[in-house]
Amino acid sequence: NAGVMQNPRHLVRRRGQEARLRCSPMKGHSHVYWYRQLPEEGLKFMVYLQKENIIDESGMPKERFSAEFPKEGPSILRIQQVVRGDSAAYFCASSPPFSPGGNQPQHFGDGTRLSIL
Amino acid sequence: GENVEQHPSTLSVQEGDSAVIKCTYSDSASNYFPWYKQELGKGPQLIIDIRSNVGEKKDQRIAVTLNKTAKHFSLHITETQPEDSAVYFCAALGGFGNEKLTFGTGTRLTIIP
Repeated sequence: NAGVMQNPRHLVRRRGQEARLRCSPMKGHSHVYWYRQLPEEGLKFMVYLQKENIIDESGMPKERFSAEFPKEGPSILRIQQVVRGDSAAYFCASSPPFSPGGNQPQHFGDGTRLSIL
Repeated sequence: GENVEQHPSTLSVQEGDSAVIKCTYSDSASNYFPWYKQELGKGPQLIIDIRSNVGEKKDQRIAVTLNKTAKHFSLHITETQPEDSAVYFCAALGGFGNEKLTFGTGTRLTIIP
């Protein structure tokens, strides 16, 4: 049973270019989350999606960042016109649908390390 | 919003000794508290979690305790081994419908052989 798959593992972009990060959730998981981690820091929530819906994007910068989770295919985190401050590790997590027992555990992929030249 | 504080930031223990990492949270509505282990170049790996209706949970050498009144929870690792060396993160998650994890700043645990 494959875990959360993220690609690419490493991505280098020049300032002003676009970055696309992809995430395939675990089998049976319908909820996807994106987090950002700066060096030597904890993870910061960005966005929470279910299929074809953005549920909570309170952690997303208002400009240049967008996310989607289409009916078919992986979730995509898109960063337009990248700047040096976008350099970070971006992690995706997935969880099963809600259950009466409460919140479901979030399982993480190994991330995409984004470097901006 | 939720704020999670984690201590210590670094911890070194002799192999075979116990390690304890502590976290506090601010939002009394938080009801789910996972712990993650992150190795270099990898994503966070869920190692144990606890819900607010439970005071303690144990899984082999790892245990977590939760004090809802004081709003703090702790990770205990007994009989530490070199492969326990990693960065550990605590996190808190709010009530039903609030699905964003708020993470602590991490503890770098080093096991000295």
